[in-house]
Amino acid sequence: EVQLVESGGGLVQPGGSLRLSCGASGFTFSRYWMHWVRQAPGKGLVWVARTNEDGSTTNYADSVKGRFTISRDNAKDTLFLQINSLRADDTAVYYCATDLGGPNGYWGQGTLVTVST
Amino acid sequence: DIVMTQSPLSLPVTPGEPASISCRSSQSLLHSNGHNFFDWYLQKPGQSPQVLIYWGSNRASGVPDRFSGSVSGTDFTLKISRVEAEDVGIYYCMQALQTPYTFGQGTKLEIK
Repeated sequence: EVQLVESGGGLVQPGGSLRLSCGASGFTFSRYWMHWVRQAPGKGLVWVARTNEDGSTTNYADSVKGRFTISRDNAKDTLFLQINSLRADDTAVYYCATDLGGPNGYWGQGTLVTVST
Repeated sequence: DIVMTQSPLSLPVTPGEPASISCRSSQSLLHSNGHNFFDWYLQKPGQSPQVLIYWGSNRASGVPDRFSGSVSGTDFTLKISRVEAEDVGIYYCMQALQTPYTFGQGTKLEIK
């Protein structure tokens, strides 16, 4: 059974940092592009970032470029999102997902990041 | 960025009746490999999104056959042949042809 389990969310002050993790199991993690997608409370889905199979290629939404860094550790089947310089509008549930646009798409249950004083 | 426009945004449906949701992309989503890089997702209340349809018309594993997707140029349609109570939630379309991947606004399906 495919499982994606996010962790690392929490309450952080504006300007702060967090490192989100996504542990994968049930599939060959190193064979798939991986993504982060976020959803602000009561709002729609917004794609954030992606990385290719070996982590050598990354792409970001303009709104997070320069502040967020996606990475992966294929030896540990784990995806990361380092988020810096957090702003109030970064408050959202962050989902990791695999193979968006392909036949093997799965999403985790999400981790909530709240940016507030 | 590719703009995805969904309609309707709200869809009340009587159980057992059919339903249809449309999504239009601002440009072609046809990849050189012959596939449209387009998905339909359902986000049930309190859950994460789950893929229903990929490549515009392929049902994902485990998805009931009452769900179907079709493509005509830049127009994509999701059809539910007979709506069931478990189909309530928000339906999203998404393009995966180029970054940034973009989603439609969402269509909230509710049972009458």
